[in-house]
Amino acid sequence: DAKTTQPPSMDCAEGRAANLPCNHSTISGNEYVYWYRQIHSQGPQYIIHGLKNNETNEMASLIITEDRKSSTLILPHATLRDTAVYYCIVRVSRGSGGSNYKLTFGKGTLLTVNP
Amino acid sequence: NAGVTQTPKFQVLKTGQSMTLQCAQDMNHNSMYWYRQDPGMGLRLIYYSASEGTTDKGEVPNGYNVSRLNKREFSLRLESAAPSQTSVYFCASEAPQWGRATDTQYFGPGTRLTVL
Repeated sequence: DAKTTQPPSMDCAEGRAANLPCNHSTISGNEYVYWYRQIHSQGPQYIIHGLKNNETNEMASLIITEDRKSSTLILPHATLRDTAVYYCIVRVSRGSGGSNYKLTFGKGTLLTVNP
Repeated sequence: NAGVTQTPKFQVLKTGQSMTLQCAQDMNHNSMYWYRQDPGMGLRLIYYSASEGTTDKGEVPNGYNVSRLNKREFSLRLESAAPSQTSVYFCASEAPQWGRATDTQYFGPGTRLTVL
């Protein structure tokens, strides 16, 4: 699986949009970009994933650049409860015939939402 | 629908003691995983089970054994605990999203293990 690079920490004001960047310059054509987050002491929580098109769900939006070498997770209206470590992960989907099923978690970005 | 449950939530062991961490999921998922997370670090895969009856090593399997008891349950055993195994252990199960050929993992709340 491709390696990802994220800033170690970011701050955001409550109610503002939080934009979390991720670089994955060695991503392969059949690798998806996943975002998970981990609120202190809890298990990781799935947020969103995408291949090459931008994606949106009830939690966030995912913007993937045209060359797929980087992406941005957007939390449109950050709240104090969004304070967490956010992990960007690239991974071959099982549907692509990949046999490596693990999610490789780096150190992620600690997002702190301030009142 | 409880999702992924883990027991116990906390455990303190002495070096050399053994114990089994339990994990169960009620989402009818085929795949299940055990990860460990050390302070300030990301999660590392210990073992996984792609389907009932199969298990495979992850990146840090030494000192652990697993059992996929049935489709719901996947246990992790420490035969002779060592201080280096002090960590938070997370179990996960995976949902296939057949329509989009992608999979999403759902995590339990974790077991906090201290080995003295």
